[in-house]
Amino acid sequence: DAKTTQPTSMDCAEGRAANLPCNHSTISGNEYVYWYRQIHSQGPQYIIHGLKNNETNEMASLIITEDRKSSTLILPHATLRDTAVYYCIVRSPGTYKYIFGTGTRLKVLA
Amino acid sequence: DTGVSQDPRHKITKRGQNVTFRCDPISEHNRLYWYRQTLGQGPEFLTYFQNEAQLEKSRLLSDRFSAERPKGSFSTLEIQRTEQGDSAMYLCASSETGGVQFFGPGTRLTVL
Repeated sequence: DAKTTQPTSMDCAEGRAANLPCNHSTISGNEYVYWYRQIHSQGPQYIIHGLKNNETNEMASLIITEDRKSSTLILPHATLRDTAVYYCIVRSPGTYKYIFGTGTRLKVLA
Repeated sequence: DTGVSQDPRHKITKRGQNVTFRCDPISEHNRLYWYRQTLGQGPEFLTYFQNEAQLEKSRLLSDRFSAERPKGSFSTLEIQRTEQGDSAMYLCASSETGGVQFFGPGTRLTVL
């Protein structure tokens, strides 16, 4: 199976950038990296995804290393509502199985 | 609301009973996924449907678990002879071919 590794928890001051790293060294060449977040007791919410190039949308930016073995999700100006568990996800090669891992619990501090 | 819906949102049952959950995906999404999430863990893949065909099942899906998507629209997940270890959040997600998954709110199962 593919595998993702993320720090268990991180704190970030409100208004500052939150940088959440993920290691996905087992990713295959044509698989995307997806980022979701989950606020307590809700279903995961899609944030952003990418293949090789850096990506940006209205929620976040995604930086993927050239070797594609790791990525960083950036929330440019974190707010209290960004407090959640953040997951990076990859698909196991040759399957339809998506691997979530344990995620990073981000706490945004006032 | 045109998002993924799940019913019921909460289910409490006694050990040994059968339970069935329903998922209604976003219209025209041909792909449907079920996941299970226990406390403090990320969602774990259970099974995948492409239209009405069940194309992949996890080893987590024991003989007591069965899922269907008879007309390629809604899906059901049934657990027979529930055990306390089945207590979890059951999540459904749907996507278009090549698209990202959108998740429903989940069904929280408590087995007493």
